[in-house]
This record gives sequence, C-alpha cells and structure tokens, in this order.
Amino acid sequence: KAGVTQTPRYLIKTRGQQVTLSCSPISGHRSVSWYQQTPGQGLQFLFEYFSETQRNKGNFPGRFSGRQFSNSRSEMNVSTLELGDSALYLCASSFDRVGYTFGSGTRLTVV
Amino acid sequence: GESVGLHLPTLSVQEGDNSIINCAYSNSASDYFIWYKQESGKGPQFIIDIRSNMDKRQGQRVTVLLNKTVKHLSLQIAATQPGDSAVYFCAENYSGAGSYQLTFGKGTKLSVIP
Repeated sequence: KAGVTQTPRYLIKTRGQQVTLSCSPISGHRSVSWYQQTPGQGLQFLFEYFSETQRNKGNFPGRFSGRQFSNSRSEMNVSTLELGDSALYLCASSFDRVGYTFGSGTRLTVV
Repeated sequence: GESVGLHLPTLSVQEGDNSIINCAYSNSASDYFIWYKQESGKGPQFIIDIRSNMDKRQGQRVTVLLNKTVKHLSLQIAATQPGDSAVYFCAENYSGAGSYQLTFGKGTKLSVIP
C-alpha cells in the first residue's frame, strides 16, 4: 500500500513569506500529525488532526497552523516565516494512535 | 545567541555484532512506545513498537525491552549490518484522553564498521 506522501520535498522561502505544506496519509488512516525536526531541538510535535478536528497542539506560535480535509489529507501553514523556521517538517499518519508512519518530510529553508 | 545542536550519543559496532541502543523515557504514564530508524535525508522509519503491558517484543533481527520501573527502553539489533547505520529514536505516547502526540528522545547514531 502507498505510504505517507509529503509535498513538496524541498522548499526555499524568504523571511516574511508564508508557506503551505501538504501531507497525504496512508489510506484508511484518519489521524495525521505534524512534527518539526531541527538539529538544535530534535523532533517536536506541532499538531494532530483526526476527522478534520485538531485534537492536540504543541508549543509553537500561532504562525503555525494546519487543517485536515474530509479525505484525511492535511496541510500545514507557516506565516511570516523566520530564519528559525528552517527545518525538516514531517507528517505522520496513524490508525488512531497505533503504528505511526512518517513521510519523507519537506525540507524548508528560509533565507 | 548561537544555537547548539543536540549532542547525539553515538554507538559504533563491528558488522555482525549485536547492537544495544538505550532510551530513557520521561512520562511514567506513557503506555505505548515505538522505535524509529532515520537515515540521512529521510523520514523516521518504524522499526518496532511495544505496549506497556509487555516487557519484551521481538521482530526480525530486533528486540525491544521495556522496563517500566526505571522508565527505560532498549532496542537490540542482532547481527548488525552496514545498512543499519542510521540515527535511532525512541518515542513514547500516552493513550489517555487529550494526548495525541509522540514524544521523541534525542536519538542515538549507530555506525556499523564493515
């Protein structure tokens, strides 16, 4: 079966711009969660969605937001980009908190 | 200020030897644990999971041990191969109401010497 698909794989943005990342979960998985990975902080939880509802949010500023569609696909948005937002953004899908499977991530570079 | 990268513990093993990677988890209420392998430029790859009602679980060439008393998790890799070289993360999850996230450890870099 197809895995978790994240697009785009790489992205370069300028400070102050906004960006939207996309994640398509494994078929049948209704939970999608997002993580930020940096060398300094490791893997940190951003938010989790289930059936279009955000159930949990990590400790990130309001510039980070997300949503989930009826087909379980999810997007995350970062507005007013800062240099410190440069990171690998990972999406994971699960069958309600079992067997979290990650995508390959989107490498965001803010210049 | 200058950002400092996480200091990743490293483990170097000879090809064919067994590897043991350790992890201390933080939440005594966590009841679900996963080990991931991450290769450079890729997302974390699921290796094996274990629930808190078990002490040990085996997969293909891998074994996870859970010691809830001291909040310790370990991953044993048998007959380590060069393809096992990667960073390994443990992740914990509490399945109680309101908790829908994985909390990750800092990771251990495994290097396999041919």
